[in-house]
Amino acid sequence: AQSVTQLDSQVPVFEEAPVELRCNYSSSVSVYLFWYVQYPNQGLQLLLKYLSGSTLVKGINGFEAEFNKSQTSFHLRKPSVHISDTAEYFCAVRDDYKLSFGAGTTVTVRA
Amino acid sequence: EAQVTQNPRYLITVTGKKLTVTCSQNMNHEYMSWYRQDPGLGLRQIYYSMNVEVTDKGDVPEGYKVSRKEKRNFPLILESPSPNQTSLYFCASSPRDYSYEQYFGPGTRLTVT
Repeated sequence: AQSVTQLDSQVPVFEEAPVELRCNYSSSVSVYLFWYVQYPNQGLQLLLKYLSGSTLVKGINGFEAEFNKSQTSFHLRKPSVHISDTAEYFCAVRDDYKLSFGAGTTVTVRA
Repeated sequence: EAQVTQNPRYLITVTGKKLTVTCSQNMNHEYMSWYRQDPGLGLRQIYYSMNVEVTDKGDVPEGYKVSRKEKRNFPLILESPSPNQTSLYFCASSPRDYSYEQYFGPGTRLTVT
């Protein structure tokens, strides 16, 4: 079975500063990776996904992630955050017929 | 609008009183799934369905039932809820392709006293 580890449970950051959220997955032959965002009191929304091809994946709202097979990582980055990026972020990997999720990283953006 | 809907959004109930949380999707997806979200644990899969009349257990199925009589609906049934089932529940659907990218409903916050 696949598993995901999100290395930071909480990330406080100032507005307009960069942010990186770290995600490591257990290795497998084929890997499909996702980042989802959950805004307060809402469901999960897909930010971006890696299925194949370029290891640098661009998503919505200025986020991007880099797939690194040798380090089994899929870290999420944004060069300049806004207050509206305050949310919980989940890394996930396809695991048979489901997604296996990390425990989540709460990002709090302060003015 | 393509979406997954859940009802109710909020529910407070007592131990042992049967309840059903409904889930419906309008994207003609074959695959549907239920997850529960608990602090520090992320989302864990309860049950999933590959198609009509085909369901299977996820990682935490104890205390839950599901059915899939129609493609669009996938209700979650708690026959005798207990306080440890207090959680935030999400329904999701997906086309049956190689990625299983999932589309989530808005969530149902359940409190069992």
